[in-house]
Parts: sequence; C-alpha cells; structure tokens
Amino acid sequence: DADVTQTPRNRITKTGKRIMLECSQTKGHDRMYWYRQDPGLGLRLIYYSFDVKDINKGEISDGYSVSRQAQAKFSLSLESAIPNQTALYFCATAVGGAGRQETQYFGPGTRLLVL
Amino acid sequence: AQSVAQPEDQVNVAEGNPLTVKCTYSVSGNPYLFWYVQYPNRGLQFLLKYITGDNLVKGSYGFEAEFNKSQTSFHLKKPSALVSDSALYFCAVSSGQTGANNLFFGTGTRLTVIP
Repeated sequence: DADVTQTPRNRITKTGKRIMLECSQTKGHDRMYWYRQDPGLGLRLIYYSFDVKDINKGEISDGYSVSRQAQAKFSLSLESAIPNQTALYFCATAVGGAGRQETQYFGPGTRLLVL
Repeated sequence: AQSVAQPEDQVNVAEGNPLTVKCTYSVSGNPYLFWYVQYPNRGLQFLLKYITGDNLVKGSYGFEAEFNKSQTSFHLKKPSALVSDSALYFCAVSSGQTGANNLFFGTGTRLTVIP
C-alpha cells in the first residue's frame, strides 16, 4: 500500500550497531504499529502508538525503542542489534476510534539482517 | 488470552477448484476476526473482517469467510481458485483488552494454486 512507506526496504548491519527503521503514512491515521515477522511465527507486535504522546509496548518490545515524531511518522530503533533480531519488520496504521473493529493497513516491510 | 491457530502450513489446490484456508480462534469476549494476504515481497493486504451480523463475510478478490461461533472458526473460502491467489494468508483476532486493538496473528498458511 503506497500510503504507508517504510525505509529502508532492506538493511544489513552488524551485531552491536544501532539502527533505525522509519515508517511514514499519508492516510491521516492516528494509530501506528510496528510488527516483526519470523518464518513459522506469524506477526508479533513490538510497539504501538495511538497518537504522538501515546506509546505502548507490545508483545516483544525488549531490545527495541520507538519514536512518534509526528502523526505521520513512527520510527523503530534497535539500540544494539543482535542476530536474533534478523526478521521482516512491518509498520501498520489504523484510523482509530473504531476500537477493536479497526482495520490495520500495512507497509511493504523492511528486511533486516543482523550479522 | 487470545490466540489464533492456522492448522495447515501449506494448502495446494488446482486452478478452478474451490479453496478453503482454515482458522480457529480463542478470545475473551466477542471475537473480531480478520484475514490478510501477503504476496511475495509485499506487505499484508486486508481481505475481510467479521465484526457482527451475518456469519458469511464477503471481501476482496472474491474471497469470503464463514464465522462459526460454536466451532470457534473463521475459515477463508473462494469458490474458484486462481493461480494469482497463490500467496501467504494470515488470520488474526482482535484483543479483548479495553482501549487496545492489538491484533494476534496466526502463523500463516501458504496457498499454492496449481495451473
């Protein structure tokens, strides 16, 4: 979905390096999410944000941090990358206000390899 | 606790035949259920969702899903499969936690439509 963009699309880094994955959206949605996808495990939630001042931990937040710089931007940082953080990372957005009915819209993903 | 099970890692079907991708769920309270599809090197695309009402939900690309409360299932179906339907399919359930809408994903089912 071109309305949700992620940069970079692919990244190779070394153990111990700090890296940032960025997500931008033009959908005007309030809510933004970061997930990681691992083979055989589906998607797991890392962090989510309901607005600029509201950041919440997800299922697997250890080793990650986030920043909601603006309504349209939500960045995920790996403070000190480790090999088991090698995964496909997805950003998603939702309009908010609809509670559990909301549909999330996903970006194209960032493939991260930590050596 | 909420969870989703997709019992089949792989489903193969001949082009033109009906297809079914299975999903069962466990959730506190009323279930809100979603199907997403992931094409190679792409993000997840929303197909359909069940909120309330008619147990048969129609979605994008000719897909539909049947909600069965007694069997806690939400199977994805299509009357006539196309080769272009080959992709990875994820079932997801919305969390019952107040104020949150965390999606819990199944591990995915890879559908291959054979010409």
